[in-house]
Amino acid sequence: AQSVTQPDIHITVSEGASLELRCNYSYGATPYLFWYVQSPGQGLQLLLKYFSGDTLVQGIKGFEAEFKRSQSSFNLRKPSVHWSDAAEYFCAVIGVTGGGNKLTFGTGTQLKVEL
Amino acid sequence: GAGVSQSPRYKVAKRGQDVALRCDPISGHVSLFWYQQALGQGPEFLTYFQNEAQLDKSGLPSDRFFAERPEGSVSTLKIQRTQQEDSAVYLCASSSELGNEQFFGPGTRLTVL
Repeated sequence: AQSVTQPDIHITVSEGASLELRCNYSYGATPYLFWYVQSPGQGLQLLLKYFSGDTLVQGIKGFEAEFKRSQSSFNLRKPSVHWSDAAEYFCAVIGVTGGGNKLTFGTGTQLKVEL
Repeated sequence: GAGVSQSPRYKVAKRGQDVALRCDPISGHVSLFWYQQALGQGPEFLTYFQNEAQLDKSGLPSDRFFAERPEGSVSTLKIQRTQQEDSAVYLCASSSELGNEQFFGPGTRLTVL
């Protein structure tokens, strides 16, 4: 079965600083990978997704992520963080085979932005 | 509406009561998912429908949990004899294709006293 690990529970960065949120997955084949953001009281919003092809994917709000098969990672990055980026971020995977099309989420990383 | 809607947004139940949570997916989306998100955790899969067929209910935690989607559109998640451990946010998502983006609703926060 697939699994997702987000090793950082909380991260604090200064506004304008760069950001990297870590995500490691466990799956036997190439998975579909996603990053979602959740603001308080809101549903999950998709930031970006990786299905195949170029391993560097661009998303909304200036976010990007890089799929590294050798490291089983799909880290999320942003070159300059804005105060409005403070939220919880979830990495998720869909197994292409065997796992159906249900999303398996990590436990999330809470981002705090200092002004 | 343009997005997934859920009702009620908040529900407080006494232990032992039955509750019903509703999800209106995006019009035309054939796939519908329910997830449970406990405090401080990521969402966890409960069940999945393709049109009216419930294809996967492996995540339902007990036989007190029941979901239906009789006409392939609106779905209801029912929890019988609620327990305190059922307190969580219940998220509904819909998608147009297998493996494609799932669009999430705002969730229903259930508190069992």
